[in-house]
Amino acid sequence: SQQGEEDPQALSIQEGENATMNCSYKTSINNLQWYRQNSGRGLVHLILIRSNEREKHSGRLRVTLDTSKKSSSLLITASRAADTASYFCATDTTGANSKLTFGKGITLSVRP
Amino acid sequence: EPEVTQTPSHQVTQMGQEVILRCVPISNHLYFYWYRQILGQKVEFLVSFYNNEISEKSEIFDDQFSVERPDGSNFTLKIRSTKLEDSAMYFCASTATTGWKQYFGPGTRLTVT
Repeated sequence: SQQGEEDPQALSIQEGENATMNCSYKTSINNLQWYRQNSGRGLVHLILIRSNEREKHSGRLRVTLDTSKKSSSLLITASRAADTASYFCATDTTGANSKLTFGKGITLSVRP
Repeated sequence: EPEVTQTPSHQVTQMGQEVILRCVPISNHLYFYWYRQILGQKVEFLVSFYNNEISEKSEIFDDQFSVERPDGSNFTLKIRSTKLEDSAMYFCASTATTGWKQYFGPGTRLTVT
């Protein structure tokens, strides 16, 4: 498998439910970031969590990081139809000058 | 919030032609990147650029590709002789300092016919 793999690959939920998406990676990381992409559009940064952090919140988003398991989860609470998008985790290993390695993404559909 | 901008939004070109994709990173950022995303696939790193030189490049970034920061604001990606497989969405990104989020532009969709 590859650095930054998300699961499930597709998730369909009802508006108001919570959505949990997982990401696993192979190598040691410096930071892990989550991005959202609406169909055919650009990447919107959601949240960054550093390797020495375990949990971070931003509005309806909660991200956890378990470096011992090399995994992260993104929880979106009280989902809305507007949350329908693809979600990607991306890791970097050496700071700002380093590349981001993206996973294949999770397609989230929130039914109104 | 400041934004990375990219032009054009869509470029159609014939195989073998040269294309230049343009990006204006956020003004106080120092690190610049190009990524690409083939339709339906994941985002792939192409090249990073700092202090007027390439700091890292991927296997995709072969001799047909080059990057330039011709002035204080623009950052360009040139593909010298496009191939069908270069058709993809190309994203520019920038960041200010070590260990910070990368801001992505809206992308340029390149279609090679």
